[in-house]
Amino acid sequence: EAQVTQNPRYLITVTGKKLTVTCSQNMNHEYMSWYRQDPGLGLRQIYYSMNVEVTDKGDVPEGYKVSRKEKRNFPLILESPSPNQTSLYFCASSTSKVLGATDTQYFGPGTRLTVL
Amino acid sequence: AQSVSQHNHHVILSEAASLELGCNYSYGGTVNLFWYVQYPGQHLQLLLKYFSGDPLVKGIKGFEAEFIKSKFSFNLRKPSVQWSDTAEYFCAVKGNSGYALNFGKGTSLLVTP
Repeated sequence: EAQVTQNPRYLITVTGKKLTVTCSQNMNHEYMSWYRQDPGLGLRQIYYSMNVEVTDKGDVPEGYKVSRKEKRNFPLILESPSPNQTSLYFCASSTSKVLGATDTQYFGPGTRLTVL
Repeated sequence: AQSVSQHNHHVILSEAASLELGCNYSYGGTVNLFWYVQYPGQHLQLLLKYFSGDPLVKGIKGFEAEFIKSKFSFNLRKPSVQWSDTAEYFCAVKGNSGYALNFGKGTSLLVTP
């Protein structure tokens, strides 16, 4: 089954304690990205990756890092989490980096992060 | 940068009522537009998308949207909603780089029995 998986699904942590949210897709997609969803703000892109070792900033990259060492994985790293990073995070991947008419973007189930 | 705005933040309808959710985009050139749905506790799912051709786009679950270039709009419609349509709906436009989707702030739909 084609899917994007994220772990953990729920996480409560404290300010400053480094954490990593993993994202993995089994569809051999080149393009992957991370979004955060906040009430009243919709989804905002944090980082994206067009291929292995190719990453770039989205709209709200501050406080986040990513890596793309393998095609299937795109972890999101919070080196020093702060309460304003409390949010619902979605990983996504798509059949093409161009997001053309025949492409489909798949979203993961989400990770709800609370930073105290 | 291309962006979309959704004017209805919260909508409450009775079952069998007709639905129209507004979405306006900011860019006057070629646009690619999407509607996504997020059911409670679930991830986003694509309802429909417009790239070119027939401006009336049919999606899944009986949804449709009409691209009206002169009005910069891409409103989502369904003639008769069901309780199971209770969800959050997001309009999105493909960004300038072509590598990202810019989402609207979402519309929360509650359908009452």
